[in-house]
Amino acid sequence: DAGITQSPRHKVTETGTPVTLRCHQTENHRYMYWYRQDPGHGLRLIHYSYGVKDTDKGEVSDGYSVSRSKTEDFLLTLESATSSQTSVYFCAIRETATYEQYFGPGTRLTVT
Amino acid sequence: LAKTTQPISMDSYEGQEVNITCSHNNIATNDYITWYQQFPSQGPRFIIQGYKTKVTNEVASLFIPADRKSSTLSLPRVSLSDTAVYYCLVGDLQGAQKLVFGQGTRLTINP
Repeated sequence: DAGITQSPRHKVTETGTPVTLRCHQTENHRYMYWYRQDPGHGLRLIHYSYGVKDTDKGEVSDGYSVSRSKTEDFLLTLESATSSQTSVYFCAIRETATYEQYFGPGTRLTVT
Repeated sequence: LAKTTQPISMDSYEGQEVNITCSHNNIATNDYITWYQQFPSQGPRFIIQGYKTKVTNEVASLFIPADRKSSTLSLPRVSLSDTAVYYCLVGDLQGAQKLVFGQGTRLTINP
């Protein structure tokens, strides 16, 4: 599992509330990613990071922000959750030597 | 980023060889081809990666023709546990490697 954990694993929240999802890695990888996956769709990249305090947008970044204040943690924040953000969120790291991406176990977020 | 096209679904039987083909007509010179496998309620898992000709590992083989406009993932002697969604991705390995996942191929293995 490349030492990736996500928290929380499940969350139910109400529309308009802020939500922060955490991705934690233990192996000092430079690149980290946040994806969302909806039924019938593949994964879509939200944001990614290429180092501490270095982040960039993916294909579906609207409504999301990220922060990476230390190598091991990559936070995804929904400033004001909407029902359209109900999804499964996956964090991933990229293995430096092999270029493989390893994914975390996912967080199932429901916005009511 | 090169777009990929693969069948939405495939069915096969235990013990058979399964070949899943992916089309990527606008693949760039520096792009590699990577396949991931995803089981329900789990994140995708790397299967195999290649640039040209043939690559084989303990799980699968990847065949890439000379023009690199398509690729074929070959799973030998599948079992029920190979039932999953398989994604073909194309991209440059350097830099941030922003992977673009399509809808994938839902492979169902029957007894």
